[in-house]
Amino acid sequence: NAGVTQTPKFQVLKTGQSMTLQCAQDMNHEYMSWYRQDPGMGLRLIHYSVGAGITDQGEVPNGYNVSRSTTEDFPLRLLSAAPSQTSVYFCASSYSYDIGGETQYFGPGTRLLVL
Amino acid sequence: GENVEQHPSTLSVQEGDSAVIKCTYSDSASNYFPWYKQELGKRPQLIIDIRSNVGEKKDQRIAVTLNKTAKHFSLHITETQPEDSAVYFCAARGSARQLTFGSGTQLTVLP
Repeated sequence: NAGVTQTPKFQVLKTGQSMTLQCAQDMNHEYMSWYRQDPGMGLRLIHYSVGAGITDQGEVPNGYNVSRSTTEDFPLRLLSAAPSQTSVYFCASSYSYDIGGETQYFGPGTRLLVL
Repeated sequence: GENVEQHPSTLSVQEGDSAVIKCTYSDSASNYFPWYKQELGKRPQLIIDIRSNVGEKKDQRIAVTLNKTAKHFSLHITETQPEDSAVYFCAARGSARQLTFGSGTQLTVLP
């Protein structure tokens, strides 16, 4: 198993550009999520999905869109990049949303710089 | 929503000493409390977790304690080694069933 994979590893964008961060998992996990990590602020939840076709907002959803058309993939779209979106983005997945299956496994991260 | 506070933000210990990191949470319905270790430039990795029906859990040199009444939980690392140096994050899963993370503790183990 590759676990949780993310592409790209590093990206530089100009303000106003759009892009998609890719996330995939091969563990047949039901639950997937996106976090951003900024210095001194821990990990903050952007969006999450409890299964294919179901997504919902987390703590900091503004400026981001997600979709979940398959169990394996959960892409994060930046609609119009802003310098405030400079961050490290982590995708995570867990077996389920329910008690007993909630341990989350993280991808390697995408480092994004918006100029 | 859930709020998780973590202390201290930095911690230095001598090799072989113990380290303790503390977290408090606000949502009394929180039922799952994982701890993650993150080395520089790497992904967070789960090192231990505890559920609300358990007061303490131990795995070799690492232990976690939970006090539901006071709404706080702690990570204890004994016999620290240089490879324990990293950032440690606590998290709590509240009534919204999402993980809320603390702000992290930079642990440095001095040889």
